[in-house]
Amino acid sequence: DTGVSQDPRHKITKRGQNVTFRCDPISEHNRLYWYRQTLGQGPEFLTYFQNEAQLEKSRLLSDRFSAERPKGSFSTLEIQRTEQGDSAMYLCASSLSGGSDTQYFGPGTRLTVL
Amino acid sequence: SQQGEEDPQALSIQEGENATMNCSYKTSINNLQWYRQNSGRGLVHLILIRSNEREKHSGRLRVTLDTSKKSSSLLITASRAADTASYFCATDGLIYFGRGTQLTVWP
Repeated sequence: DTGVSQDPRHKITKRGQNVTFRCDPISEHNRLYWYRQTLGQGPEFLTYFQNEAQLEKSRLLSDRFSAERPKGSFSTLEIQRTEQGDSAMYLCASSLSGGSDTQYFGPGTRLTVL
Repeated sequence: SQQGEEDPQALSIQEGENATMNCSYKTSINNLQWYRQNSGRGLVHLILIRSNEREKHSGRLRVTLDTSKKSSSLLITASRAADTASYFCATDGLIYFGRGTQLTVWP
């Protein structure tokens, strides 16, 4: 257990539905990252926050994806109008800026879009 | 942001053997880190090596860094079935990962 938690761990939804995932980072970490990972691939960067500011977004983050970190603590990732291609593991990680850049990953949320 | 690329993509060995996997990157770095991922789980940090270090040990892990060749290697000695996992390297910023090396250790 790294101290980063994600909820839910598994989500099955029908195409077209909206889903929201939550990540709770290690409490003193000011940076929070979201990644997506499909089978046989490494994690693909989606976006990251420093405190409540969203500093970088990948081109992978289409208009259907939105992430928030309203108080600089937990974060949510919402996918609207899900598509089968959104099926993946969604990973959250946190780190402390000014440190070694070590990221601590949560267990992930496995999304299956039927 | 920088990207690490791991090699080989897959490695299959017997318990007790050593496993070596490599990482290449493209630009200068401050540090390089190795992570492990068990199937269906999040990534776990293994070891960090700084750009002014050439070798680092942690238990059965040995990491080397050659900044002139922009490469690193991870050696796992006396491997165990529990070492079966995917291994990733990542450089400063850690935003872009390669596909990893899938290590399988047979009992």
